[in-house]
Amino acid sequence: GDSVTQMEGPVTLSEEAFLTINCTYTATGYPSLFWYVQYPGEGLQLLLKATKADDKGSNKGFEATYRKETTSFHLEKGSVQVSDSAVYFCALSGTGRRALTFGSGTRLQVQP
Amino acid sequence: DAGVIQSPRHEVTEMGQEVTLRCKPISGHNSLFWYRQTMMRGLELLIYFNNNVPIDDSGMPEDRFSAKMPNASFSTLKIQPSEPRDSAVYFCASSFKGTFDEQYFGPGTRLTVT
Repeated sequence: GDSVTQMEGPVTLSEEAFLTINCTYTATGYPSLFWYVQYPGEGLQLLLKATKADDKGSNKGFEATYRKETTSFHLEKGSVQVSDSAVYFCALSGTGRRALTFGSGTRLQVQP
Repeated sequence: DAGVIQSPRHEVTEMGQEVTLRCKPISGHNSLFWYRQTMMRGLELLIYFNNNVPIDDSGMPEDRFSAKMPNASFSTLKIQPSEPRDSAVYFCASSFKGTFDEQYFGPGTRLTVT
């Protein structure tokens, strides 16, 4: 079945540092890929998405590129802020199945 | 615009009691999803509806759990009888067909069963 694997957290960075959170997936066909963010005490919010190979999703300074050859969708940001502290979830929507399969989440802590 | 609305936000109950969680999806969305989030198991899909019809309930843990969607603007998730291991945050999400499954999540209901 479909699965998503994320790097273990927590990831602790200083403000203005470069962020990478790794995500790889297993799925048949051509899934759509997503990054969701969960701030403390809140529900998940869609951060960015990509629907086909080589697409780059971007939002709020975050970027991720759909790499079919490596089955990856790594999240990057050039300069993190304290307000980026949250849990980040990688997810996919498999062909023909509209529900999302989520990774385990990666907690990011940004220190001033 | 109102987002996905869930109630109650917090629920504390004793083992054996019935618990009902409620969700109002975003107007115009035709898919609704119930998820459970725990530290041990992460985020799990319990069930989802399309046009008020249950499509996939394979994630429902056992017969103690049931979900209904009587109309496009309301859904319930019921646990009867509740057990301590049901303690979790339960999220409802909705999406509109054609938007590549951009799901909009509610704030969640934190359930504690003692």
